[in-house]
Formats: sequence, structure tokens, C-alpha cells
Amino acid sequence: QITLKESGPTLVKPTQTLTLTCTFSGFSLSTNGVTVGWVRQPPGKALEWLAFIYWNDDRRYKPSLKSRLTITKDTSKNQVVLTVTNMDPVDTATYYCAHGSKTNTNYYFDFWGQGTLVTVSS
Amino acid sequence: QSVLTQPPSVSGAPGQRVTISCTGSRSNIGAGYDVSWYQQLPGTAPKLLIYGNTNRPSGVPDRFSGSGSGTSASLAITGLQAEDEADYYCQSYDSSLSDFVFGTGTKATVL
Repeated sequence: QITLKESGPTLVKPTQTLTLTCTFSGFSLSTNGVTVGWVRQPPGKALEWLAFIYWNDDRRYKPSLKSRLTITKDTSKNQVVLTVTNMDPVDTATYYCAHGSKTNTNYYFDFWGQGTLVTVSS
Repeated sequence: QSVLTQPPSVSGAPGQRVTISCTGSRSNIGAGYDVSWYQQLPGTAPKLLIYGNTNRPSGVPDRFSGSGSGTSASLAITGLQAEDEADYYCQSYDSSLSDFVFGTGTKATVL
């Protein structure tokens, strides 16, 4: 059974760096083909993909946010960490981590964490 | 603004069939990148409904089906039920943006 859970601060100040941890079980990020991603959703708005990290430590980032995002993994702890620098009120959102699986042409998110709401405010 | 456009809302009576469109372009759906669909009940995380354009994960009722043609994809819900009232999102990959993109989202209402 695959489960994921996000953890981190609920409130950050503008310009601060956000660090979120995704702790998962039921799979290993050292297994060929496995990936974990982050998706966010501002209140009342649509989903937005942020980043992927793959079993081979390859990383993909949303181009418009690439300069602010870093994704890392700790295979021994079954954790993935996302950092977002220079937080702004527009970054207020629920942040989800999700297990990614692959078709021939795309990735999809088959298991999701419950999400964590991060508010950016002074 | 997303490159995958969905109608803001759809509605239907219990038992009816509704469809949700996801309109893209030649750099995403039209380029052959697979589409997935997600259901998001109020206050909960998204749930995978369809992957690879037409495939249902185990546990998803066969009332939900996916299809696609050209630069668009569609999600159909047949035999609409009250529990289907939710937001629905499509997702694909855009090669021009190098981005895994979600649709604008559609709120389904059961009348």
C-alpha cells in the first residue's frame, strides 16, 4: 500500500525559504522507474506541477519556477524534500507530494498525499 | 493561464451522462502526449481517475471513461451520481513549455 504525507511549516514570511518534506511508504525511490513529484494548488485555483525527482536522481522543474525550486531525496529515510526560495504571498497554496508513474509519453500521479496548506504572510 | 482549457462547470441530473472536455494544442495533446484525469472532492487531495488517455486504475468505477481526438481529450461520466459532485482536472505534457500541465479545472454539479 502506497502512502505519502507532507510536512512543514504552515506559515512563512515573504522572502523566506520554504522547506517541505514528503515521507512515503510502500515503494522505494531506488527502484528503476519510480518518481515522486510536487504539485500545488492556490486556494480556489487549479493544480500546478512544480517538480519531479526520479529513481536515478534526475530532476525536472517547472521552467517558470526553476530558479526558486530544489528537490532532493533521501532514499534511506523514504523522504523527498522540496525547497522554495524567496516566498511571496502568491505562493500561498496547498502543496501535495505524489507518486508518479509513466505511460509511453507522459507521467501521471497515481497516489497523493493529503496536502499541506502553506500561507505566506508577514 | 493553463494551456489546457476545460469548461468551468458542467451539470446533470442523477443518472445522466456528462462530458468534460480538455482542449490543448499541437505541443501537448496534439503531439501525442498522454492525458490523465483527476477527481477532487471538496477539501480533499486529487484522485487519479484515468491515465494513458483511456485506462482506469483498479477501483475506479467504469462509469468514468476517457477518450481523445486531435488536440482534445474528454472525460465522460455515465449514470451520474451525487457522489460525483467534484472538481475534475486533466493533465498532460507540453513540449513547448517543457512543463507537465494541468487543465483549468471543471466543477461538476449533480442537480
